[in-house]
Amino acid sequence: DTGVSQNPRHKITKRGQNVTFRCDPISEHNRLYWYRQTLGQGPEFLTYFQNEAQLEKSRLLSDRFSAERPKGSFSTLEIQRTEQGDSAMYLCASSLGGQKNTEAFFGQGTRLTVV
Amino acid sequence: AQSVTQLGSHVSVSEGALVLLRCNYSSSVPPYLFWYVQYPNQGLQLLLKYTTGATLVKGINGFEAEFKKSETSFHLTKPSAHMSDAAEYFCAVRRVYGGSQGNLIFGKGTKLSVKP
Repeated sequence: DTGVSQNPRHKITKRGQNVTFRCDPISEHNRLYWYRQTLGQGPEFLTYFQNEAQLEKSRLLSDRFSAERPKGSFSTLEIQRTEQGDSAMYLCASSLGGQKNTEAFFGQGTRLTVV
Repeated sequence: AQSVTQLGSHVSVSEGALVLLRCNYSSSVPPYLFWYVQYPNQGLQLLLKYTTGATLVKGINGFEAEFKKSETSFHLTKPSAHMSDAAEYFCAVRRVYGGSQGNLIFGKGTKLSVKP
């Protein structure tokens, strides 16, 4: 297993465009998290899936943001009508919940620049 | 509510010197604590974690941290800094709610510089 994979690594988009990021977690991990990291800050929680169910969304996740995890495998994070304030690193993490609870493993992130 | 505070946004040490990065937490339940390292334009890599048991936790690359409940601290140390340790370090606590474990809550990070 090669770990958590995120694509693309970098995305430059014009304000108002829609963007979609993909995260492929470690295969046996049932939990998947999305975080956003802006310059000089630690990652901030956006949303969390257990299998295919989206169990929690942060208040940071405005209605322009939507995340899915069909079939409990990969996940996508879509941002509609992007704004300059959406420029950030978007990090995905996965972990194994339950009795074999593991720590979160992070992908390398997708850096979004909105111009 | 749980939170993490990292004291010092920048720390600079000489190669071979002691590294000490400070982290204090707030939690109403026994915390699960983590230190992650991030190199430029990369994701986060786990250095070490404290869940239960021994309060002195050893991690990768010679780092260790000690959980001190009385001081609500989880400081990260390394006896001798190496140039390759230059990176940003994040302390985190795992959020616990309704008896379930959830996402990580991160501090703002400490950028470590190592001078030759």
